[in-house]
Amino acid sequence: NAGVTQTPKFQVLKTGQSMTLQCAQDMNHNSMYWYRQDPGMGLRLIYYSASEGTTDKGEVPNGYNVSRLNKREFSLRLESAAPSQTSVYFCASNRQGWSYNEQFFGPGTRLTVL
Amino acid sequence: GENVEQHPSTLSVQEGDSAVIKCTYSDSASNYFPWYKQELGKRPQLIIDIRSNVGEKKDQRIAVTLNKTAKHFSLHITETQPEDSAVYFCAASPDGANNLFFGTGTRLTVIP
Repeated sequence: NAGVTQTPKFQVLKTGQSMTLQCAQDMNHNSMYWYRQDPGMGLRLIYYSASEGTTDKGEVPNGYNVSRLNKREFSLRLESAAPSQTSVYFCASNRQGWSYNEQFFGPGTRLTVL
Repeated sequence: GENVEQHPSTLSVQEGDSAVIKCTYSDSASNYFPWYKQELGKRPQLIIDIRSNVGEKKDQRIAVTLNKTAKHFSLHITETQPEDSAVYFCAASPDGANNLFFGTGTRLTVIP
């Protein structure tokens, strides 16, 4: 049981390049999330997917697109990277019940845009 | 939408002392309040949570209190140890939502 996995772990891009961050979970969770983490800003939600086939914008969606490929996989795409997108990106999935709403995070992707 | 504020942003305590981190939330519909710990270079992990029908919850050296009227909740760590050094995030989840709204984090340093 690997939990939530992300690839790559590190990436350096030049301004204007594109890339896709991959995320997969093996816990059979319905909901998946993409966050970015910047110093002093906490975890800010980019996009989320409440179930296979659905996606919704979070707090900071501009410059990103997502795809919920199936129940396991949720990818984040940067079409034209900008230096402001330099950040650590975390994917998460959600175990939710009446009395809990626990998010399980992946190990993160550290992205630098030059 | 929900807005969660967290204080202080940094906190240093001597080993063995207590640490308290406070959060406020804006949406009265929020009814679930987790706390996450993130060690340096690692992913955030849930350490304790509380639901709005409970005023306090304890798990060994950590406890969380909730004041629904004032819309604030706090994390208490007693007998702090160096391994408690990390960034702690509070969060709130409105009823019916599967999103968490995070605070900006508190960097706790426990000085040996």
